Amino acid sequence: DADVTQTPRNRITKTGKRIMLECSQTKGHDRMYWYRQDPGLGLRLIYYSFDVKDINKGEISDGYSVSRQAQAKFSLSLESAIPNQTALYFCATSDRISQGKSTDTQYFGPGTRLTVL
Amino acid sequence: AQSVTQPDIHITVSEGASLELRCNYSYGATPYLFWYVQSPGQGLQLLLKYFSGDTLVQGIKGFEAEFKRSQSSFNLRKPSVHWSDAAEYFCAVGPYNTDKLIFGTGTRLQVFP
Repeated sequence: DADVTQTPRNRITKTGKRIMLECSQTKGHDRMYWYRQDPGLGLRLIYYSFDVKDINKGEISDGYSVSRQAQAKFSLSLESAIPNQTALYFCATSDRISQGKSTDTQYFGPGTRLTVL
Repeated sequence: AQSVTQPDIHITVSEGASLELRCNYSYGATPYLFWYVQSPGQGLQLLLKYFSGDTLVQGIKGFEAEFKRSQSSFNLRKPSVHWSDAAEYFCAVGPYNTDKLIFGTGTRLQVFP
């Protein structure tokens, strides 16, 4: 079984609809992340969470919200989807390096391809 | 500001040829450095990472990378490319004592038989 799973894998929706993307992990990591990938722009961080009570905005959080329901689950919501949110969305997990802030290797899920019409 | 630059958007090589993918970073101290590969329709997989020590690091699938502090570079190399190496490659920087990775925009590798 995959260590980081994302559901759904593909989703087509209409402008204005509320969408939730879900991520689950079995790696036992505290840190979880949501990224979006657009052609030519690489990966951009939307939100990240160090534990259930610690959630932080990333580079492009506007229009998105998240929920960390448990150590193993981190959901991304688009409250009112718009076409420029069409992208490939990745969830990732990591451990931290020793007791500092620095992040170790991030492990990625397979991605969710979202299309907003 | 901290940043990562991958100057080559798209590279094409013949199978069996050598490969070098460039990565330059902007940061005042030694960062943590990563190379990830994304095969079509897949998530990102770690190829290798550098935290400290020997500046030449070995990764999976026959890849290696060399950290050059004087050039702020962390280029990825492979002596002989296989058709299965066709993918998109991302360099990432994790600045010391921060909590995020910064990704480059990626280099797409195409391999011809």
